[in-house]
Amino acid sequence: NAGVTQTPKFQVLKTGQSMTLQCAQDMNHNSMYWYRQDPGMGLRLIYYSASEGTTDKGEVPNGYNVSRLNKREFSLRLESAAPSQTSVYFCASSGDRGLGEAFFGQGTRLTVV
Amino acid sequence: QQQVKQSPQSLIVQKGGISIINCAYENTAFDYFPWYQQFPGKGPALLIAIRPDVSEKKEGRFTISFNKSAKQFSLHIMDSQPGDSATYFCAASVNSGYALNFGKGTSLLVTP
Repeated sequence: NAGVTQTPKFQVLKTGQSMTLQCAQDMNHNSMYWYRQDPGMGLRLIYYSASEGTTDKGEVPNGYNVSRLNKREFSLRLESAAPSQTSVYFCASSGDRGLGEAFFGQGTRLTVV
Repeated sequence: QQQVKQSPQSLIVQKGGISIINCAYENTAFDYFPWYQQFPGKGPALLIAIRPDVSEKKEGRFTISFNKSAKQFSLHIMDSQPGDSATYFCAASVNSGYALNFGKGTSLLVTP
């Protein structure tokens, strides 16, 4: 059972470079999320998608864009990476209307130098 | 601003002791309160969750206590074990909403 799969697991970028973090879930969930985790800050919501074709900003959306490609996949794009975006990024999904358990991926550790 | 405030930031408990982590919230629209456990290098995983129609929920050694009037909830880990050493996050969400609001986390160390 794969659950939520994120790629890549690790990435180093230079300031100004762009990249896309990929996320896919195989649980037929409607809702998907991107969080970032920084020491002492907990998990903060970047963007979420309540259903295929919809996306909404979370608490810290600046510098990011997202695409809900289909029901399974939700990608996060950094157009011009900045050192402040050094973080661990988690994708998550949950069932209908966001109710119930949210399942998290293993995370992507991103370093921007 | 942080919608869920969690304390303490870190906690050291001896094996067999009780670990207690507290959280407080302001938004009275929250009606789903989960706790997540995270081991190093892994994503958070749901440990236990409660809705405000009950004051306590127990699953094995883990208990959530919920005080609706005080807008507080807590996680109790009974008979704490070294394998419980992890970071614990409380969270809250609105039932018809779509995203969890997390506390900043508590790093728990259970010593042998």
